[in-house]
Amino acid sequence: QVQLQESGPGLVKPSETLSLTCTVSGGSSSSYYWSWIRQPPGKRLEWIGYVYDSGTTNYNPSLKSRVTLSVDTSKNQFSLKLRSVTAADTAVYYCARLSSGHYEAADLWGQGTMVSVSS
Amino acid sequence: DIQMTQSPSSLSASVGDRVTITCRASQSVTTYLNWYQQKPGKAIKLLIYAASSVQSGVPSRFSGSGSGTDFTLTISSLQPEDFATYYCQQSYSTPFTFGPGTKVDI
Repeated sequence: QVQLQESGPGLVKPSETLSLTCTVSGGSSSSYYWSWIRQPPGKRLEWIGYVYDSGTTNYNPSLKSRVTLSVDTSKNQFSLKLRSVTAADTAVYYCARLSSGHYEAADLWGQGTMVSVSS
Repeated sequence: DIQMTQSPSSLSASVGDRVTITCRASQSVTTYLNWYQQKPGKAIKLLIYAASSVQSGVPSRFSGSGSGTDFTLTISSLQPEDFATYYCQQSYSTPFTFGPGTKVDI
């Protein structure tokens, strides 16, 4: 069965770039929208954006100036880069698969990875 | 952005209880409304999509209803494994937005 797994540093310094990768195992990363979602401690889930396997992206306007999503179908991976991070970017980051057949619901999620922004 | 609210924010219930959680959108999302379950240390799980369609593998005690701005998630007979936090989410327009969550505990 298809699984998603996030990977990347758990600690990032302020003003630096947060980089995470999501690996798709047990299936292909083609023909889906791949999304990143985060949850700051004690707060609700926040949608960061999605990337299609063609490279088409859609970003949350609140983060658009700092975020880049990309996909590498040959490696079955997709990635998140968030620039100029501050403490407000401390959160659990989730990768997820969006299904157009399910009204763009996220039908598959990774376990999430905690990223702290601190010097 | 479409704002999502949920009520209650938390509830206490017993095994076998019927539980209803409501979700409201700040504008119509037609039926682009999804429900998720979150348990500590586990991947978030899609329960309901398109307001009332039960995701494959989800027990039939979970059901969803509503359209436009008002939606409900119902658990017909609460089981021990259902104690969790539940979120609604609209996927009608980007940025997709989530409700604040409803924590269901004993």
